Amino acid sequence: GDQVEQSPSALSLHEGTDSALRCNFTTTMRSVQWFRQNSRGSLISLFYLASGTKENGRLKSAFDSKERRYSTLHIRDAQLEDSGTYFCAAEPHSGGSNAKLTFGKGTKLSVKS
Amino acid sequence: DPKIIQKPKYLVAVTGSEKILICEQYLGHNAMYWYRQSAKKPLEFMFSYSYQKLMDNQTASSRFQPQSSKKNHLDLQITALKPDDSATYFCASSQEHTANTEVFFGKGTRLTVV
Repeated sequence: GDQVEQSPSALSLHEGTDSALRCNFTTTMRSVQWFRQNSRGSLISLFYLASGTKENGRLKSAFDSKERRYSTLHIRDAQLEDSGTYFCAAEPHSGGSNAKLTFGKGTKLSVKS
Repeated sequence: DPKIIQKPKYLVAVTGSEKILICEQYLGHNAMYWYRQSAKKPLEFMFSYSYQKLMDNQTASSRFQPQSSKKNHLDLQITALKPDDSATYFCASSQEHTANTEVFFGKGTRLTVV
């Protein structure tokens, strides 16, 4: 089955609202990265976490350091430019010594005025 | 100013033909990768290279052959193209081919096979 499960699959927000995206992992992960894919298809890196939390402007991400089985991405005060598809990608502990990422299916976010 | 350059951005190919997707990175990284994103599947790992040597291959078909002429280059040759090969192909790189390292992605080459 899928190692990386993202929820929700789609989300519609009004400008100024807050929300959270989640990734659950079926196995222990070493690290997680969050990306936003824009309408042109470019993958924009948002966060890389091996543990703990990181914050950048209105975005904040956390990676469960204990069980290493889930990660969250919080969006505060959503803006129109936040629209896009958000992917989490994680590196399994069983993946050997290489940085091979397993991606989720993404959360399609639409922010409306 | 993109540090991972993929060429071309868009590519249309005829079934049965051969194409080469170009990737070069200017991050000084020693590991490079190819990932594929199709309409039917999420982004998936294809190959990884470290210091120009193949480290991992998750692509079943031998029609896909990476080529590394320089440390910062990893091209992808695809032969006998099929419509199912239509996808966006992303090149990526990381400082080293090790665990717990951030991976950076190029903007992708969108391939359509007709």
